[in-house]
Amino acid sequence: DARVTQTPRHKVTEMGQEVTMRCQPILGHNTVFWYRQTMMQGLELLAYFRNRAPLDDSGMPKDRFSAEMPDATLATLKIQPSEPRDSAVYFCASGLVRLAGNEQFFGPGTRLTVL
Amino acid sequence: EDQVTQSPEALRLQEGESSSLNCSYTVSGLRGLFWYRQDPGKGPEFLFTLYSAGEEKEKERLKATLTKKESFLHITAPKPEDSATYLCAVRDQTSGSRLTFGEGTQLTVNP
Repeated sequence: DARVTQTPRHKVTEMGQEVTMRCQPILGHNTVFWYRQTMMQGLELLAYFRNRAPLDDSGMPKDRFSAEMPDATLATLKIQPSEPRDSAVYFCASGLVRLAGNEQFFGPGTRLTVL
Repeated sequence: EDQVTQSPEALRLQEGESSSLNCSYTVSGLRGLFWYRQDPGKGPEFLFTLYSAGEEKEKERLKATLTKKESFLHITAPKPEDSATYLCAVRDQTSGSRLTFGEGTQLTVNP
């Protein structure tokens, strides 16, 4: 049963600390997405990669957020330094992007709380 | 800029009481309209993709339809296990692989 995995599932940290979230996409998928979900803003796209290359990170606060794909089986999202307003659920999704379509399959999320 | 509006925000049904959820959208060149289901504490689960007006797709008690301006998710004889938030998203011809999501409809089905 292929699925996206994310670690950690929950993270509580103090303001100013570095936070790293990890994602293992579904094997064979060529595109990986990072989303953030809050009650106020809903589901927002932060960044996405195609074949490990960053294609769009316009939704990400670049002064503190960074996203990478060290290899095809691992995507990371880092926040340094973290702030209370970063508290949210962060989802990773992967998909096999074609000309049309683009079904994305989501992981279980990392619930981040910054105190 | 793509816009996706879902209504109602919340819907309570009795078991067996059929209804529909609405997703209105504004895009420049639709490349796909997507329905997802999200249970509390979980990631969105993919349900359907619709590409062109007139298209319909079904899965168990769910049926999704598409016009040029909106999509409906029809729920026939719902059961309590259908309770979830249903999200609609669109992809257009200028935004690459970016999806724009609506705020969702929270569905509760009472036994």
